[in-house]
Amino acid sequence: DAKTTQPTSMDCAEGRAANLPCNHSTISGNEYVYWYRQIHSQGPQYIIHGLKNNETNEMASLIITEDRKSSTLILPHATLRDTAVYYCIVRASNTGNQFYFGTGTSLTVIP
Amino acid sequence: ETGVTQTPRHLVMGMTNKKSLKCEQHLGHNAMYWYKQSAKKPLELMFVYNFKEQTENNSVPSRFSPECPNSSHLFLHLHTLQPEDSALYLCASSQGAVANYGYTFGSGTRLTVV
Repeated sequence: DAKTTQPTSMDCAEGRAANLPCNHSTISGNEYVYWYRQIHSQGPQYIIHGLKNNETNEMASLIITEDRKSSTLILPHATLRDTAVYYCIVRASNTGNQFYFGTGTSLTVIP
Repeated sequence: ETGVTQTPRHLVMGMTNKKSLKCEQHLGHNAMYWYKQSAKKPLELMFVYNFKEQTENNSVPSRFSPECPNSSHLFLHLHTLQPEDSALYLCASSQGAVANYGYTFGSGTRLTVV
């Protein structure tokens, strides 16, 4: 699976949009981009995933560049409960391919 | 109950003890996973079960012994652990090993070995 690069940490003001970048320049054509988050001492939570089109759900939006070498997770109106570590993972949807979590981005939402 | 439930939430055990961690999922999934998360480290995949069969063991020491009696339950049996095994142990499940919609994780068991 392709490697991803994320900033170690970011801050965001409460109520503002949080934009979390991820670079995945070696992504293969059959690999999806997944985002999870992990609130302190809890299990990771699936947020969203996409292949090449932008995706939106009730939690977030995922913007993938046309060349698919990078993506951005957008939390449109960050709240204090969004403070967590956010993981960007690229993975092919074949049986036997697991999710390997890196160190992620530690997002702190500031009141 | 819904989702993935792990018990106990916290466990303190001595190095000579034998204990078991339990994971139960109520999602109708058929693949289950154990992860270990040590302090300040990324999650490490330990074991994978697909339709009750173990399909992956990531070089985990034999003092960790998984058991999957059915697609809804997963256990991690622990014996003669070391202090460095203290960590958050997370269970996850997915709809098949393809897992197009990702994994659903439990809240974890915080294990302390003394």
